[in-house]
Amino acid sequence: GEDVEQSLFLSVREGDSSVINCTYTDSSSTYLYWYKQEPGAGLQLLTYIFSNMDMKQDQRLTVLLNKKDKHLSLRIADTQTGDSAIYFCAESHPGSARQLTFGSGTQLTVLP
Amino acid sequence: GAGVSQSPSNKVTEKGKDVELRCDPISGHTALYWYRQSLGQGLEFLIYFQGNSAPDKSGLPSDRFSAERTGGSVSTLTIQRTQQEDSAVYLCASTSPGTGELFFGEGSRLTVL
Repeated sequence: GEDVEQSLFLSVREGDSSVINCTYTDSSSTYLYWYKQEPGAGLQLLTYIFSNMDMKQDQRLTVLLNKKDKHLSLRIADTQTGDSAIYFCAESHPGSARQLTFGSGTQLTVLP
Repeated sequence: GAGVSQSPSNKVTEKGKDVELRCDPISGHTALYWYRQSLGQGLEFLIYFQGNSAPDKSGLPSDRFSAERTGGSVSTLTIQRTQQEDSAVYLCASTSPGTGELFFGEGSRLTVL
């Protein structure tokens, strides 16, 4: 079945690196996404990775994909208080109108 | 407008009442989605509209839920005889034709007393 799992909470100190992990089940997923939701707002696409890649770097963000283990991670370097938000992992389903299955989201809290 | 617009942003209603939630997608986006976000849960797919095709209603949790999209633009999600378990944030998203990226509205927070 389709299931995307994430831990619910993560706390880090300002300036440290944050690593948010996600596992998914659909081996045919073509894209995997990270969305960010700030308080009271909708979700915004942060970054995505194509399934034939194992790493993607975008400024302070690094996405690692282990397709064998169906494990995706998002690393945020030099975490800032403005990074405090909920981060959702999502997998795509080729040929499906549903487009994406989202995880439960990880609440990242950045402590001063 | 520049983004996906949803209204109302907050709705408090009594159990048993009907509610309507509105979504105005980004102009030119042919696909529109409704999701439900409950506390501590991921985004639950509800319904999907693509152009003039029949909508994919497979995510609607019960027959109290319905949605329509008039003229291929604005969509309304209707919940009849609301129950307390319907309390959630209802998010609408539309899709860019080229990239498939989902653009989300800020959501409508529904509280059923």
